[in-house]
Amino acid sequence: DTQLTQSPSFLSASIGDRVTITCRASQGINNYLIWYQQKPGKAPKVLIHAASTLQSGVPSRFSGSGSGTEFTLTISSLQPEDFATYYCQQDNSYPLTFGGGTKVEIK
Amino acid sequence: EVQLVESGGDLVPPGGSLRLSCVASGFTFSDNHMDWVRQAPGKGLEWVGRVRNKAASHTTEYVASVKGRFTISRDDSKNSMFLQMSSLKTEDTAVYYCIKPSHGAVRKFDHWGQGTQVTVSS
Repeated sequence: DTQLTQSPSFLSASIGDRVTITCRASQGINNYLIWYQQKPGKAPKVLIHAASTLQSGVPSRFSGSGSGTEFTLTISSLQPEDFATYYCQQDNSYPLTFGGGTKVEIK
Repeated sequence: EVQLVESGGDLVPPGGSLRLSCVASGFTFSDNHMDWVRQAPGKGLEWVGRVRNKAASHTTEYVASVKGRFTISRDDSKNSMFLQMSSLKTEDTAVYYCIKPSHGAVRKFDHWGQGTQVTVSS
């Protein structure tokens, strides 16, 4: 199984901060890496797919990068609506797996 | 507009069984693979399994923790997918989401249902 390790698991930041979340895969995943945002009581929504492709309708302050086994989600300037939990997911091999999540809270 | 509506969640005792349903609309159901993902209270997301489309003979994949206990099936004539759960354990307590993954080369879970709550407790 491909394990995904997200870091940090918790992040406290201020409005306007640049935020970076890392996702490390236990083996290569051919860039089949997706980032989701989840708010309390809601289903997750796609932010980034194929490691770096911005999902339609997602603000350009979100970006993804990386290849091989190390991937990054960056929020260039944190906005009030960005306080949420973020997950990475690999779609390269079964079983499909998610990272443990990163909760972004207001400092 | 894609819509996915889950139902069937309930409180069941350990060792019990439950069948979840997902009714889909707004896309050609038979062309698409379908997935289940769950989320335990206060925890992260866990992929449960997939049933492939008709072209792939409705074959299935499961995470190891449910293999042999859960069965995913579908009825394309009713635009419906099912999750038959048996020998339920307390650790199966979660919100279960029905998902339509993207179709084709792009891979992502781009449509989610609202979720249905399964609680396994005596």
